[in-house]
Amino acid sequence: EIVMTQSPATLSVSPGERATLSCRASQSVSSNLAWYQQKPGQAPRLLIYGASTRATGIPARFSGSGSGTEFTLTISSLQSEDFAVYYCQQYHNYYTFGQGTKLEI
Amino acid sequence: QVQLVESGGGVVQPGRSLRLSCAASGFTFSNYGIHWVRQAPGKGLEWVAVISYDGITKYYADSVKGRFAISRDNSKNTLYLQMDSLRDEDTAVYYCAKQGGLGQNWLDPWGQGTLVTVSS
Repeated sequence: EIVMTQSPATLSVSPGERATLSCRASQSVSSNLAWYQQKPGQAPRLLIYGASTRATGIPARFSGSGSGTEFTLTISSLQSEDFAVYYCQQYHNYYTFGQGTKLEI
Repeated sequence: QVQLVESGGGVVQPGRSLRLSCAASGFTFSNYGIHWVRQAPGKGLEWVAVISYDGITKYYADSVKGRFAISRDNSKNTLYLQMDSLRDEDTAVYYCAKQGGLGQNWLDPWGQGTLVTVSS
């Protein structure tokens, strides 16, 4: 099983700042990586697939990068609605999620 | 618009069974694989199972293999998850989610989820 490890577990930032979230795979997943945002009481929402392609309707302040085992989600200028939990998911070999990064003020 | 609506959750005793449903609309259901993903209270996401567009290929997480069965009825645009021999640790919100495309297994969109509580 491919293990996905996200860091940090919690990231405290201020609106307008830049946030950088990391995701590491225990073995190469090529570019078969997605990022999701989940707000309290809501279902997850797809942000990024293919490691760097924004999903439909996702603002340009969200960007993804990386390949192989190291991936990054960057939010360039945080808006109040961006404070949520973020998960990475690999779909290279079956499907596994990271444990999540909580983005808080 | 694309929509997935889960139903069938509830409170069930350990060892008993429950069947979840996921009704799809707004897309050609028979063209897409569909996943089940669960989230225990206050925890992260755990992938559960996937079924191919034609219902032939199915994969399961080790934690549910042999106890859960995924199926679909393309004539009814509906996905199912039969859950047998339920355990306390199966307590979670269960989401269904559509794959991005053939062989493209990012998940979009997700349903709103249905809560399953296993408790005596």
